[in-house]
Amino acid sequence: EPEVTQTPSHQVTQMGQEVILRCVPISNHLYFYWYRQILGQKVEFLVSFYNNEISEKSEIFDDQFSVERPDGSNFTLKIRSTKLEDSAMYFCASSETEPYNEQFFGPGTRLTVL
Amino acid sequence: RKEVEQDPGPFNVPEGATVAFNCTYSNSASQSFFWYRQDCRKEPKLLMSVYSSGNEDGRFTAQLNRASQYISLLIRDSKLSDSATYLCVVNIVYGGATNKLIFGTGTLLAVQP
Repeated sequence: EPEVTQTPSHQVTQMGQEVILRCVPISNHLYFYWYRQILGQKVEFLVSFYNNEISEKSEIFDDQFSVERPDGSNFTLKIRSTKLEDSAMYFCASSETEPYNEQFFGPGTRLTVL
Repeated sequence: RKEVEQDPGPFNVPEGATVAFNCTYSNSASQSFFWYRQDCRKEPKLLMSVYSSGNEDGRFTAQLNRASQYISLLIRDSKLSDSATYLCVVNIVYGGATNKLIFGTGTLLAVQP
């Protein structure tokens, strides 16, 4: 069964450093998303991406964040200058052909900012 | 008012019990509805989509009431492996390709032997 994959599974970084989180969505999916979950809190939407551009972003997704689909398979989330409060689990998700389709999530990257 | 509201639980039930989870949502732009389950420190996994006509998948039954903006999940004959957090999720679609999932805080289910 096709699945969303994410690397790395755990990333530790120093405050102020840049991090890039990588995702490979399911191959025939057209819509891509990033969510985050701070420990003990609910899953929060960050950004959606379709047709090589951002279609929606939350207030969390400020100028420090960016997304890219550099080739036909990878989807990346970059945080330019990490803060302590960026420590969270980051989930990538993808959905098939319509925005109201089910979204399938990757296993997540646990980001720890020291 | 929270966009998606759920009873956080925990629900502690014996094996074989029937358990019901409820959820309300506030955004009338919500167009599709789901239950996901999340095991500790893992990703949300899709359990089932929810339709107004109601839908069933084995021991799981989900129902949507658009008029009262209410979603439910019923688990019959609960198993130890059902222990997890159940997430009520609505998909806000703004038009065209713009959409996002809004998650509830989740309801923790612990099935006891």
